[in-house]
Amino acid sequence: SQTIHQWPATLVQPVGSPLSLECTVEGTSNPNLYWYRQAAGRGLQLLFYSVGIGQISSEVPQNLSASRPQDRQFILSSKKLLLSDSGFYLCAWEQGGNQPQHFGDGTRLSIL
Amino acid sequence: AQTVTQSQPEMSVQEAETVTLSCTYDTSESDYYLFWYKQPPSRQMILVIRQEAYKQQNATENRFSVNFQKAAKSFSLKISDSQLGDAAMYFCAYRSASSNYQLIWGAGTKLIIKP
Repeated sequence: SQTIHQWPATLVQPVGSPLSLECTVEGTSNPNLYWYRQAAGRGLQLLFYSVGIGQISSEVPQNLSASRPQDRQFILSSKKLLLSDSGFYLCAWEQGGNQPQHFGDGTRLSIL
Repeated sequence: AQTVTQSQPEMSVQEAETVTLSCTYDTSESDYYLFWYKQPPSRQMILVIRQEAYKQQNATENRFSVNFQKAAKSFSLKISDSQLGDAAMYFCAYRSASSNYQLIWGAGTKLIIKP
């Protein structure tokens, strides 16, 4: 069966520091991969999605970036975090565009 | 552009009773998919149910069922025999079958279960 792993679960970072959140999927190949951000009590905002290695689409211009160095690995990065980057980050995968998305456990990011 | 609206920020129901969460959407497309996701306090996002727009039959998963009214662009979720573990945020989401890979999300409904 397929599983998705996202880490770390919690992260506290100072303003201006770099960021790297990692997400990996097991048990499938060539999944579509997604990064979302969720503000407290709100819905999901799509940040990036990827349909293949090295293929990244950005939905919201900001100081975050994403990379997909391997088929089942999706990384969310920043060179210099802002206070506004605080939030709950969710990684998701799906097999094909008409299939449901399945989510990781999320990372709670706090910027001090 | 497609939009998804959940007009109930919060709903409460007595344990063992039935509750219906509403969702409406706006689209000009005829082929699409609709989803309900549940997010408990642990924050994990869990798929509850999926509906394909070309299917007239309402989807059902155990105690969860939908009332899909395509002409009215309505997609409500009914939870029967509510349990304490059903307490969560519930999100409705829309996806076009043809255009891109985006899920369009509603703002969510917080469901409270009263013991």
